[in-house]
Amino acid sequence: EAGVVQSPRYKIIEKKQPVAFWCNPISGHNTLYWYRQNLGQGPELLIRYENEEAVDDSQLPKDRFSAERLKGVDSTLKIQPAELGDSAVYLCASSRTGVSTDTQYFGPGTRLTVL
Amino acid sequence: EDQVTQSPEALRLQEGESSSLNCSYTVSGLRGLFWYRQDPGKGPEFLFTLYSAGEEKEKERLKATLTKKESFLHITAPKPEDSATYLCAVRRFTGNQFYFGTGTSLTVIP
Repeated sequence: EAGVVQSPRYKIIEKKQPVAFWCNPISGHNTLYWYRQNLGQGPELLIRYENEEAVDDSQLPKDRFSAERLKGVDSTLKIQPAELGDSAVYLCASSRTGVSTDTQYFGPGTRLTVL
Repeated sequence: EDQVTQSPEALRLQEGESSSLNCSYTVSGLRGLFWYRQDPGKGPEFLFTLYSAGEEKEKERLKATLTKKESFLHITAPKPEDSATYLCAVRRFTGNQFYFGTGTSLTVIP
């Protein structure tokens, strides 16, 4: 079974530029999460999708961040414009909600550096 | 407020020196507690899920236990390849969020 796929793995941009991250979850997983992880910290949730619906985006900085999950499969997270403080690793995870073993599985992450 | 605290922040062990990592939590209605391993430059890798106090799970040199207030990850006779950051996360019955701790960075010296 293929794992969670993310691209790109690394991205370096200058501040005020836009950037986008892509995630393909594990097949059959209806719940998709985007997290941000700063160095030495645990992942912090940005947004959670149940199928196509964003059910928790309370931690998403909506002035510059946006996300979409068309057709309830792939998802894209966008930052526009990027700020220096956005430098972090952006992790995507997926799970199959509704079954007893509703474990999250993570992708490798995208390391964003904003100069 | 839901909270997850891991200790110690960093741990250095000699190869073969057993120890334990702690994850204490305050959450209303625990649905599950999860342990992950994270290597540098990689995403967290799932290790265990614990659902109720008294539950234990083992995998190779790792054993996770759960009480009503905390979980321990016991590492028996660690090897250098066990070096990684170990993350703990909790999930409530209400909602579908996972709350992560800041992790314990484990270094096993040959």
